[in-house]
Amino acid sequence: DAGVIQSPRHEVTEMGQEVTLRCKPISGHDYLFWYRQTMMRGLELLIYFNNNVPIDDSGMPEDRFSAKMPNASFSTLKIQPSEPRDSAVYFCASSPEGAMNTEAFFGQGTRLTVV
Amino acid sequence: AQSVTQLGSHVSVSEGALVLLRCNYSSSVPPYLFWYVQYPNQGLQLLLKYTSAATLVKGINGFEAEFKKSETSFHLTKPSAHMSDAAEYFCAVSDGRRALTFGSGTRLQVQP
Repeated sequence: DAGVIQSPRHEVTEMGQEVTLRCKPISGHDYLFWYRQTMMRGLELLIYFNNNVPIDDSGMPEDRFSAKMPNASFSTLKIQPSEPRDSAVYFCASSPEGAMNTEAFFGQGTRLTVV
Repeated sequence: AQSVTQLGSHVSVSEGALVLLRCNYSSSVPPYLFWYVQYPNQGLQLLLKYTSAATLVKGINGFEAEFKKSETSFHLTKPSAHMSDAAEYFCAVSDGRRALTFGSGTRLQVQP
């Protein structure tokens, strides 16, 4: 398997523009997670899905952020409008069904820079 | 809510020396604990996880961690550091929701 695939790897956009980050989880995995990594706040969970259904979105910073999972093989994280403080590395991870200590597999991340 | 605390944001060791990265957890229920490693410009990779089958857990690349309930700790060790171990290491806990809460990370530097 190719692992979790995220695109783009790097994104530079101007403040106010819409940004869409994409993720393809590992085939057969039932859980999908979006994390954000910054120097100030470390790794934060934004939202996660189980069987394409959002389970917990309490980490989504504000209404400018939205995430969807239209099918088992694709998810998007959208920021509209983007702001400089959204600059971060965004990770997608997926995990199979199983015991609670089943690990998550991470993509390589999307480095977002909002200027 | 579950949480983990990693003591020391930066650790520097000499090649061949013992590596000790500290992690303490806070949990009201038996925790599910993990160590991940992140190499520059890469995603996170699982090093090892606590399964409750054994308190001493062996992972990849010669790393191991010991779960100590009395100390609420899950410290990561490696007997002999290698240059390739230089990376950032994250301790994480799952609260049973399947989502992980990560510590702030420890950057390991290995001196030749």
